[in-house]
Amino acid sequence: AQTVTQSQPEMSVQEAETVTLSCTYDTSESDYYLFWYKQPPSRQMILVIRQEAYKQQNATENRFSVNFQKAAKSFSLKISDSQLGDAAMYFCAYWGDKIIFGKGTRLHILP
Amino acid sequence: DVKVTQSSRYLVKRTGEKVFLECVQDMDHENMFWYRQDPGLGLRLIYFSYDVKMKEKGDIPEGYSVSREKKERFSLILESASTNQTSMYLCASSPTGTYYEQYFGPGTRLTVT
Repeated sequence: AQTVTQSQPEMSVQEAETVTLSCTYDTSESDYYLFWYKQPPSRQMILVIRQEAYKQQNATENRFSVNFQKAAKSFSLKISDSQLGDAAMYFCAYWGDKIIFGKGTRLHILP
Repeated sequence: DVKVTQSSRYLVKRTGEKVFLECVQDMDHENMFWYRQDPGLGLRLIYFSYDVKMKEKGDIPEGYSVSREKKERFSLILESASTNQTSMYLCASSPTGTYYEQYFGPGTRLTVT
């Protein structure tokens, strides 16, 4: 069965610094998608970044980038130049035959 | 911008009541989803629908049913609410032909007493 693991329930980073959120997954499928979603306090969940498993190139969206290691089944999110507005719950998600979300990492930004 | 709306932000119901949670999207998406979100458990898929009147069970369908009579509206029904259904419920939709870019509603925090 597919699983998604976010090993860091909570993290803190100084404003303007870089932080990496980890996500590992387990699957026997070869074709799937991976996502990072952001859920700010009391606000709607939004998609941050998406990676197709067949693409070797790591996805990037402005200050957000991923390190996708398919063989290791790892999908970490790097946030560069952290801003106060980045404070949120971040969810890693897998979509293949099933949709599986991780338990989330709460990110605090320290001014 | 895609807009997904949910009928209530907060709802308090009594054990045994029948509860309806409504979700509406305005972007003509074919796919719609219901999740529940619990602290320490992340999001878990209850049901999804890929077309009007079509539905598929997710990971935790027990105690829930759904209805999709119109493309833009997807309802989650708790036939007889129980305290263990106290949770945050999130609705999402995704574009036609794709299963990956989901747009979420603001959520309904349901308390069953």
